[in-house]
Amino acid sequence: ELKVEQNPLFLSMQEGKNYTIYCNYSTTSDRLYWYRQDPGKSLESLFVLLSNGAVKQEGRLMASLDTKARLSTLHITAAVHDLSATYFCAALNYGGSQGNLIFGKGTKLSVKP
Amino acid sequence: DSGVTQTPKHLITATGQRVTLRCSPRSGDLSVYWYQQSLDQGLQFLIQYYNGEERAKGNILERFSAQQFPDLHSELNLSSLELGDSALYFCASSRNQGFQETQYFGPGTRLLVL
Repeated sequence: ELKVEQNPLFLSMQEGKNYTIYCNYSTTSDRLYWYRQDPGKSLESLFVLLSNGAVKQEGRLMASLDTKARLSTLHITAAVHDLSATYFCAALNYGGSQGNLIFGKGTKLSVKP
Repeated sequence: DSGVTQTPKHLITATGQRVTLRCSPRSGDLSVYWYQQSLDQGLQFLIQYYNGEERAKGNILERFSAQQFPDLHSELNLSSLELGDSALYFCASSRNQGFQETQYFGPGTRLLVL
């Protein structure tokens, strides 16, 4: 059974600092997804990582995937307050149902001045 | 605005009842996905439809069912409702059928079962 673990679950950062959110998953999966959710809002798809070694960057966020280590990271560079949100990762489980996305519990990021 | 619409925004009902949630995908998108978000269960993928056919199934209860119509809108039917079904239900859409591309999420329907 595929399980997805994120850490940390809570992250308080100062503006201008760098940090990394980790997403580990328990069984083979070569597709990993990152989402952002602002308080009381819907989800926003950030990155779709489709293969080992995939790296994608958007602004101050960079996501990578290492399928051998079963690890994806979301790196935040020079954090700004606007990045405060909850970030979810999800891995794709290829079980008999042709695909089931399993989510982590989310990392609540707070960027303080 | 993602272009995905969901109705209603809020729904309050009683245990044992049945409700229908509606989702209209972005223009041109053929896939619709349904998700549930609750404090207890976190975020869960429920089901995906592509061009009217079921393509993937997640942790969807037997009391729940969905369909996608010829005009590509989708409905999620929740029956014999229990208190634990109270949650935010999101739908998302994408152009193609696989989980290979960005999904665009609707604003969600907040369901409260009393």
